[in-house]
Amino acid sequence: GNSVTQMEGPVTLSEEAFLTINCTYTATGYPSLFWYVQYPGEGLQLLLKATKADDKGSNKGFEATYRKETTSFHLEKGSVQVSDSAVYFCALSDRQRDDKIIFGKGTRLHILP
Amino acid sequence: NAGVTQTPKFRVLKTGQSMTLLCAQDMNHEYMYWYRQDPGMGLRLIHYSVGEGTTAKGEVPDGYNVSRLKKQNFLLGLESAAPSQTSVYFCASSYGVMYSNQPQHFGDGTRLSIL
Repeated sequence: GNSVTQMEGPVTLSEEAFLTINCTYTATGYPSLFWYVQYPGEGLQLLLKATKADDKGSNKGFEATYRKETTSFHLEKGSVQVSDSAVYFCALSDRQRDDKIIFGKGTRLHILP
Repeated sequence: NAGVTQTPKFRVLKTGQSMTLLCAQDMNHEYMYWYRQDPGMGLRLIHYSVGEGTTAKGEVPDGYNVSRLKKQNFLLGLESAAPSQTSVYFCASSYGVMYSNQPQHFGDGTRLSIL
């Protein structure tokens, strides 16, 4: 079945550091891929998405590229801020699987000032 | 511009009590979902609905029931609460299967404690 694996946290970085959160997936079809972010005390909200191979999603300085050959969708940001501290979830949605979104377990990110 | 609204936001129950969590969305979405979020477990799907009058089991359905009498509302019920159901519950909604490139929209969660 479909699955998403993302790096375990917590990840702790200093402000302005480079961020990478790894995400790999297993899917039988042609899934859409997402990154969601959850700030403290809130629900998940979409950060970015990519719907086909080689697409790059971007938002708020974050980027992720849909790599079919390595089945990956790693999240990157060149210079993180304290306000980026949150939990990040990688997810996939496969039309052939009833459109239920499969989430990774989440990666908690702490940014130190 | 409410999106997905969950009520209540917090609740404390005693073991064996029952309660209903309400989720309402104003985006005319076909699909609605209930998740629970526990430390180290990520999000786990409890039940979901693909349209008014339909429900289906997710990954962890035991101990919960749901109803979707109106398209905009999705209710999650606990008939006899147990301490293992202490969690944060999230409702989400989305367009249907033909729009798999569209994201789910989440509510802010209900924090439920069972004593």
